[in-house]
Parts: sequence; structure tokens; C-alpha cells
Amino acid sequence: DTAVSQTPKYLVTQMGNDKSIKCEQNLGHDTMYWYKQDSKKFLKIMFSYNNKELIINETVPNRFSPKSPDKAHLNLHINSLELGDSAVYFCASSHTKRTGSSGANVLTFGAGSRLTVL
Amino acid sequence: TQLLEQSPQFLSIQEGENLTVYCNSSSVFSSLQWYRQEPGEGPVLLVTVVTGGEVKKLKRLTFQFGDARKDSSLHITAAQPGDTGLYLCAGAIRASYGKLTFGQGTILTVHP
Repeated sequence: DTAVSQTPKYLVTQMGNDKSIKCEQNLGHDTMYWYKQDSKKFLKIMFSYNNKELIINETVPNRFSPKSPDKAHLNLHINSLELGDSAVYFCASSHTKRTGSSGANVLTFGAGSRLTVL
Repeated sequence: TQLLEQSPQFLSIQEGENLTVYCNSSSVFSSLQWYRQEPGEGPVLLVTVVTGGEVKKLKRLTFQFGDARKDSSLHITAAQPGDTGLYLCAGAIRASYGKLTFGQGTILTVHP
């Protein structure tokens, strides 16, 4: 019973193509995220959705478009792929605490999708 | 932008040695988390610290949050090959709606 599952795990494609990565969580969480991990293992947030609403949108090229059809799914579509898009993309989910509350949201990550652009 | 400086970036030690990983920032965080990531997997939460000066222990791992909530450390006693992995610290601020800022990570290799 995978908590956060993302597909595909590996994706190899040519420059200029369009591709999608899908993510689903069965934890009942209300917030989902996309993170990008580069070749140096640095993990950076890209997007976050809370109850299907976009709440975090970092400085990401608009070739990247997230879509959340419902609370349990957050997909990532990438247009016109570039060499620099090669990375591991992680989906994550959490119960989000209200603004002002102490503590932090505990993220559950998927296993990652390794994208290689040739 | 909150930045977390994590050091060292690489650590290669023999089984049985002790080690400390540091996570420093000029920003104040409401909480700080430590994750461990194994090859081909996503990061898995080890601990969350929320109070300045807080110390938490998880078997041979000791986590500390600085008094000013700007830094944290992870100390491993008598490291074992099973501790090998990527260790990531991540800070959160209030009103950030779950946004975590990650450090660059420490790749730990423990040799038998």
C-alpha cells in the first residue's frame, strides 16, 4: 500500500518533447507538492496545492504546469523539455497546519521520477 | 529567501566512529526537520524540532535545535553501515503554508 505513488519512475525523452508525471496519495492529506532534486541532491520546491488550490508557485518556467484534479492527485506537465530539466522530481503530501500554528508539516515523499532529457 | 547551509557535504567514515552534521542559517525557523534519503527513494522524516534548545534522541541519533532557532545539528554515535545515506535538514517558517527550505544535504558513507 504505497502512500505516495508517482509514475513513471524513469522517463527518458528528447529535447522539445512534452511529458507528464502523475502523483497520487492515499493518506487523506490536503496538501500536495512537487519538488525538484538536481544532480547535486539539492531539493527545491516547485509547487504546492492545498485542496486543489495553488498556494505555492516558486520561480519555475511556465513550461511547467501542475494540475490537481482532486485532493489525492497532483500531476506535473512539462512542455518543450530542455536539457536543464533533467532531474529527479518528487511528489509529496502533508496535512497542512493552519497559519500561525507551531510545528511543521510532515511531508511524505514519493519515490521520485527520474527525468532524463537528451 | 531563507537559506540553509549544511556541512559537511560529504562524509566518509569507518564503522564505529561518531559524526556530526551541521545545518546553519541566518534566518529564524519555526521548526526544523531532518530527513534521510536512500538511493532511488524519497526523503523520509527522522525528526522535527520546534523549540529553541530542544534535543531529541532517536536510538544512536541525537538532534539539537539551536537556542535562537537558526541552526541544528545531527550527531550519530557509533555509526553503522546501515546509516549510509543522504541526510537533509529542512526549515519551515510560520505562515509559509508548508513550504520547506532544504539544505544541500550530507552524503554519509559508513565503511564496514
